[in-house]
Amino acid sequence: QSALTQPASVSGSPGQSITISCTGTSSDVGGYNYVSWYQQQSGKAPKLMIYDVSNRPSGVSNRFSGSKSGNTASLTISGLQAEDEADYYCSSYTINNTRVFGTGTKVTVL
Amino acid sequence: EVQLVESGGGLVQPGGSLRLSCAASGFTFSSYSMNWVRQTPGKGLEWISYISSTGSNIYYADSLRGRFTISRDNAKNSLYLQVNSLRAEDTAVYFCARGGVGATCDYWGQGTLVTVSS
Repeated sequence: QSALTQPASVSGSPGQSITISCTGTSSDVGGYNYVSWYQQQSGKAPKLMIYDVSNRPSGVSNRFSGSKSGNTASLTISGLQAEDEADYYCSSYTINNTRVFGTGTKVTVL
Repeated sequence: EVQLVESGGGLVQPGGSLRLSCAASGFTFSSYSMNWVRQTPGKGLEWISYISSTGSNIYYADSLRGRFTISRDNAKNSLYLQVNSLRAEDTAVYFCARGGVGATCDYWGQGTLVTVSS
């Protein structure tokens, strides 16, 4: 199972919106609505930000939203803030009952 | 409060073995599936394995099947990962994570570092 493809880096100014893509195949992202997104700040464990493509766990800011079209999922961060600077990973359930993570995207707030 | 605490990491020689443990508290451990995920230094996350709440269903990443064995003891609220024939490329921080809805990892431990070197 190959890692899902994400851009290595995305940047934006405070207040702007950015979108991170996550491309897989019909055996993972495209085949199931079990795409999730994780935020990992430097030196910390990952934190679940989005599940089931577009749902936010309790306590996660509504500035974070998710969507999916075909084999590509996306995470949008609106009203970018300095505290959003982190690495972001997508993940998907797969046809083999396994899970696969994306390659990761470093978000920089300019 | 959900807490997951990994232990068992350290320096091990190539070809050696390790058993990682994850102590769970703050939730009914026997009701949740669990996962192991690793992260090589400065690199991305790699999912390793899943075990269902009762241990009846177990899955591994294709590339890691054979050297890794996941298990759990619900009476001890503990999750385990046995890793054999360790290689330099297994050097990583190993996280345990609780299985949530939609095949997620909804809570994570802080990880334990495994270094494979002679």
